[in-house]
Amino acid sequence: GAVVSQHPSWVICKSGTSVKIECRSLDFQATTMFWYRQFPKQSLMLMATSNEGSKATYEQGVEKDKFLINHASLTLSTLTVTSAHPEDSSFYICSARDFRTSGMLQETQYFGPGTRLLVL
Amino acid sequence: DAKTTQPNSMESNEEEPVHLPCNHSTISGTDYIHWYRQLPSQGPEYVIHGLTSNVNNRMASLAIAEDRKSSTLILHRATLRDAAVYYCIPPRSTGTASKLTFGTGTRLQVTL
Repeated sequence: GAVVSQHPSWVICKSGTSVKIECRSLDFQATTMFWYRQFPKQSLMLMATSNEGSKATYEQGVEKDKFLINHASLTLSTLTVTSAHPEDSSFYICSARDFRTSGMLQETQYFGPGTRLLVL
Repeated sequence: DAKTTQPNSMESNEEEPVHLPCNHSTISGTDYIHWYRQLPSQGPEYVIHGLTSNVNNRMASLAIAEDRKSSTLILHRATLRDAAVYYCIPPRSTGTASKLTFGTGTRLQVTL
């Protein structure tokens, strides 16, 4: 099956620094990837849709200047948390759409293992 | 967006079948029902999806009510590895992408 990886799996940083998280599709091409955030004991919340070769589409309430997304190739999307603060500490998860399923409403997504960010 | 309602938690004994219900009374005629699950400290994984008829795969079965207002995910023999949060999701199309909106899901506990 298709595999999505994330790097790093966890990161600790100081307040005010920027952190980059990578999301890779290992054995398939992903023209569209998604970024989610999950706080403890809460559900996943979609942050943005990452499109290869074009600008990301952000969900309402997500600051695009704070969460920079770059989808420069068909297998890599990156999320950079700029000027991170303790409230940005969360579990960040990416996913890639399964290009093999036909029909948009039938599309399934493959998820990465997540990146746990702790901002001190 | 179609709204879904799931019980917060359920318990099952190992090796027993588990029926996880989902109410989606506002679903439209073209909305598929997708199920994902999230094991502790991991990203979600796809389980199964369907439109009208019942569906089976190696992981589970999906029974969809005739009026499509509800569905049930069936794990035929629960194992400890099936302990997870199960999400019932009707994807929403934006024209260029199909997005998943995760609700609170059902936390399944499996005991020996």
